[in-house]
Amino acid sequence: EVKLLESGGGLVQPGGSLKLSCAASGFDFSRYWMSWVRQAPGKGLEWIGEINPDSSTINYTPSLKDKFIISRDNAKNTLYLQMSKVRSEDTALYYCARGGGLYYLDVWGAGTTVTVSS
Amino acid sequence: DIQMTQSPASLSASVGETVTITCRASENIYSYLAWYQQKQGKSPQLLVYNAKTLAEGVPSRFSGSGSGTQFSLKINSLQPEDFGSYYCQHHYGTPFTFGSGTKLEIK
Repeated sequence: EVKLLESGGGLVQPGGSLKLSCAASGFDFSRYWMSWVRQAPGKGLEWIGEINPDSSTINYTPSLKDKFIISRDNAKNTLYLQMSKVRSEDTALYYCARGGGLYYLDVWGAGTTVTVSS
Repeated sequence: DIQMTQSPASLSASVGETVTITCRASENIYSYLAWYQQKQGKSPQLLVYNAKTLAEGVPSRFSGSGSGTQFSLKINSLQPEDFGSYYCQHHYGTPFTFGSGTKLEIK
């Protein structure tokens, strides 16, 4: 079964940092683009960024480019999102998804919740 | 950046009815358009990709159409499990952007 499982969410203080992980299983992770998407409470979906299979191409939505870093470890079948300088507006459910480049997002994880509050 | 304008924001319909949701791109995205369904408390699920191709397991009452800048998702004969939120998203280069969503509710 193709599966994505996010972890690492929690409560973080404004200005702080947090690293999210996404463990992939059931498919050849090293062959796929991967993306992060977030959803603030009661709001719509916001694409954060993407990474290609060999990490040579990483793209971000412009407003988050200086705060978030996407990486991956193909040996561990894991995708990461390093968040820094977080603000209350970063409070959201963070999803990882399979897809990116010119490919739609065909598999989504259940998400991990990040709450930014003092 | 390509902007996606989705309408309506909300829609009330009865079981058995047919509904259409539209999405307009701010520039030509050819057929690089996907539709997702999200039920309350769940993660989004892919419904349609490349504007008109149904994802695996999606019932045939769903159909996607359009190309260029104008797209639509049509749901024939609404079923109780179809109620939830729907989002369009272009996948023609970065940044990907989503439409603002359509909440489909039971009348």
